[in-house]
Amino acid sequence: NAGVMQNPRHLVRRRGQEARLRCSPMKGHSHVYWYRQLPEEGLKFMVYLQKENIIDESGMPKERFSAEFPKEGPSILRIQQVVRGDSAAYFCASSRGQIYGYTFGSGTRLTVV
Amino acid sequence: DAKTTQPPSMDCAEGRAANLPCNHSTISGNEYVYWYRQIHSQGPQYIIHGLKNNETNEMASLIITEDRKSSTLILPHATLRDTAVYYCIVGDDKIIFGKGTRLHILP
Repeated sequence: NAGVMQNPRHLVRRRGQEARLRCSPMKGHSHVYWYRQLPEEGLKFMVYLQKENIIDESGMPKERFSAEFPKEGPSILRIQQVVRGDSAAYFCASSRGQIYGYTFGSGTRLTVV
Repeated sequence: DAKTTQPPSMDCAEGRAANLPCNHSTISGNEYVYWYRQIHSQGPQYIIHGLKNNETNEMASLIITEDRKSSTLILPHATLRDTAVYYCIVGDDKIIFGKGTRLHILP
């Protein structure tokens, strides 16, 4: 049973380009969460999704960031017109439900040049 | 904001038990206590969680006080590979990470 799969592991984008980060949850997990970790800082909650629904996006920046978890396929975190301040590690987690522990992926390291 | 208070750092000798405390005095009745750790820059790793009873698994034990206002994570025989930041989190939906405790295992 594979864990949470995130790809790519490393992503380099020039300022102004789009970044698409993918997350495949563990089998049987219908809840997906995205977190961001800036260099030398803690993990910040971004968004919580279930299949085809955004449940809580209180941690998402108001502009340029969006997330989806379609009926088929992985969850996608999309960052439009990236800026240097978007450089961070983005972690995805999945769970079977709210009271269960989360399983995290290895993260995507985004570098904006 | 995180609803827990943890010491910023702790040391523990290799082979000894590491006892990591956490205060969560505002915990509500339906909120669980979760522990995670992050080794260097890897993805966080789930350790254990509980509601009111003490819990034990292959990694650790979780001791929750009777009033549920504090808890202790116990790593019974710490190794160098247990060096990490340990996060104590309370909640019933999304997990909000605080600053955690940086645990150093000393050889």
